[in-house]
Amino acid sequence: DQQVKQNSPSLSVQEGRISILNCDYTNSMFDYFLWYKKYPAEGPTFLISISSIKDKNEDGRFTVFLNKSAKHLSLHIVPSQPGDSAVYFCAASMNRDDKIIFGKGTRLHILP
Amino acid sequence: DGGITQSPKYLFRKEGQNVTLSCEQNLNHDAMYWYRQDPGQGLRLIYYSQIVNDFQKGDIAEGYSVSREKKESFPLTVTSAQKNPTAFYLCASRSSGTTNEKLFFGSGTQLSVL
Repeated sequence: DQQVKQNSPSLSVQEGRISILNCDYTNSMFDYFLWYKKYPAEGPTFLISISSIKDKNEDGRFTVFLNKSAKHLSLHIVPSQPGDSAVYFCAASMNRDDKIIFGKGTRLHILP
Repeated sequence: DGGITQSPKYLFRKEGQNVTLSCEQNLNHDAMYWYRQDPGQGLRLIYYSQIVNDFQKGDIAEGYSVSREKKESFPLTVTSAQKNPTAFYLCASRSSGTTNEKLFFGSGTQLSVL
């Protein structure tokens, strides 16, 4: 049973617009959430994280929102740029150094 | 130039054959991990090691074996018991006491069965 779900396999967004990637989780014990970005034939790289005690974390063009009651988080990218085209993995763990559970990923295409 | 090196980038396995994927890091990290990625799937944990000469099974360890004789090296053997080995394999590492934001990944090995 999937504990971290990314229900959109792909998303296309116009350059300059906002990209919103969504993620749901089922395990209420998850305490820490991360987003990773992955280019083809490369390993994922860490993008941004959020602790369950917060509802928002911002880093430049990237903002992650957490709704604990809905067990939902989202990644906002504003403005979207061509280099943002990649696969984005949502991930969760029970604390900041515990085993990470990954979602299936969402492929983001930024259109010129 | 510090990092994680996985080799080879592409590997082919014949039916019934064992193959070993290499993972080397010069980051002085204590913990090392092996993940498997299938098309349209997330990363699933195969094995991990927090310290030399010790390792634990992840969520999908069946058909795989590992060793951790040196801090820098964490090779993964895909045995003939692994019935569906075709996948993209990722190695990762981080220092003990650091958080998952400090988990660094290699570039991966694509394993295919002939």
